[in-house]
Amino acid sequence: NAGVMQNPRHLVRRRGQEARLRCSPMKGHSHVYWYRQLPEEGLKFMVYLQKENIIDESGMPKERFSAEFPKEGPSILRIQQVVRGDSAAYFCASSPPGGRFYNEQFFGPGTRLTVL
Amino acid sequence: QQQVKQSPQSLIVQKGGIPIINCAYENTAFDYFPWYQQFPGKGPALLIAIRPDVSEKKEGRFTISFNKSAKQFSLHIMDSQPGDSATYFCAAVLSGNTGKLIFGQGTTLQVKP
Repeated sequence: NAGVMQNPRHLVRRRGQEARLRCSPMKGHSHVYWYRQLPEEGLKFMVYLQKENIIDESGMPKERFSAEFPKEGPSILRIQQVVRGDSAAYFCASSPPGGRFYNEQFFGPGTRLTVL
Repeated sequence: QQQVKQSPQSLIVQKGGIPIINCAYENTAFDYFPWYQQFPGKGPALLIAIRPDVSEKKEGRFTISFNKSAKQFSLHIMDSQPGDSATYFCAAVLSGNTGKLIFGQGTTLQVKP
């Protein structure tokens, strides 16, 4: 069973360009979380999605950031008009459908975004 | 207050030592406290977790101590090895919430041979 996959692993963009980060959850997992890790900081929650639904986007910046998890295909985190402050590691985590008190989140290797 | 405060920021111990990493929280609605281990260039991986109705949990060389009244919890690594050198994050999950993790700031541990 393959783990959570993220691509690309490294992404370089110039200011003003768009960044699209992809996350394929583990097989059988229908919940996806995105976290951002700024240099020398801990991980910050951004958004929680289930198939075709955004459940909690309380950690998403109000502008330029969006996320989706379509019925088919990977989850996408999209950053429009990137700025240097967007440079960070973006991690995706997936968990299985509910039923338990808490379902472990399995993290992908991350996408390291560098904005020039 | 949805914060988890973690200390120290960095820690160096000799092989065989017992590093201790501490975390504190304010919100009593947190009811699940996992610890994650992260190696450079990798994503975090769950190490061990505890619920507030338990004061201690051991898994191998890793132990969580939990003090509910003080709203503090800590990770102890027994007989630490150079392979334990990594960044460790404590986290918390709100009861009845979406399962999102609230992370501490992280502790970079170096275990010297």
